[in-house]
Amino acid sequence: AQRVTQPEKLLSVFKGAPVELKCNYSYSGSPELFWYVQYSRQRLQLLLRHISRESIKGFTADLNKGETSFHLKKPFAQEEDSAMYYCALSPIAGNTGKLIFGQGTTLQVKP
Amino acid sequence: NAGVTQTPKFQVLKTGQSMTLQCAQDMNHNSMYWYRQDPGMGLRLIYYSASEGTTDKGEVPNGYNVSRLNKREFSLRLESAAPSQTSVYFCASSPGTSGVGLFGPGTRLTVL
Repeated sequence: AQRVTQPEKLLSVFKGAPVELKCNYSYSGSPELFWYVQYSRQRLQLLLRHISRESIKGFTADLNKGETSFHLKKPFAQEEDSAMYYCALSPIAGNTGKLIFGQGTTLQVKP
Repeated sequence: NAGVTQTPKFQVLKTGQSMTLQCAQDMNHNSMYWYRQDPGMGLRLIYYSASEGTTDKGEVPNGYNVSRLNKREFSLRLESAAPSQTSVYFCASSPGTSGVGLFGPGTRLTVL
């Protein structure tokens, strides 16, 4: 079955500490993986996609096909990073763009 | 461009009432989607429309109907609202070639 799992509901860190939000997926094929972010009471917006291999707002994520993971990392958390983060999978590259989302992880960065 | 817009922003219904959530996009995207967001469950796809004139069920379609009115507009209808449909509803659109899409601001629906 196609599934995205984010094992942590809440991740709380202090400002300046490293952050790793975990994402594991189950899919028999070559999916596209994404990270979306939702700041308080705002719409979801794309943060990263694995095929771009870019860094946005200091965040990076590497697709590990062996471990079927796509963890989101940032070396030094900032208070403005506090938000809900969703990992998502697009089942078939080049298809309609349907997404399967994980349960989400709330990142809380304390001063 | 306004991107993806949704109306209304908030709505309270009584059990059994009906309503339609409206969504429009001005990005000339082919595909449009309706998701619901519930605590601890992430976003789940209700219905989607890969292109104008087509609609398909997603993961949780029961209790909902959709209409792709034209390329710009995709509406979601609740015929007989139930408390289990209390949720935040997000509309999204994408060019259709990847998972990258734009989301609307959401509609917060409460069914009493």
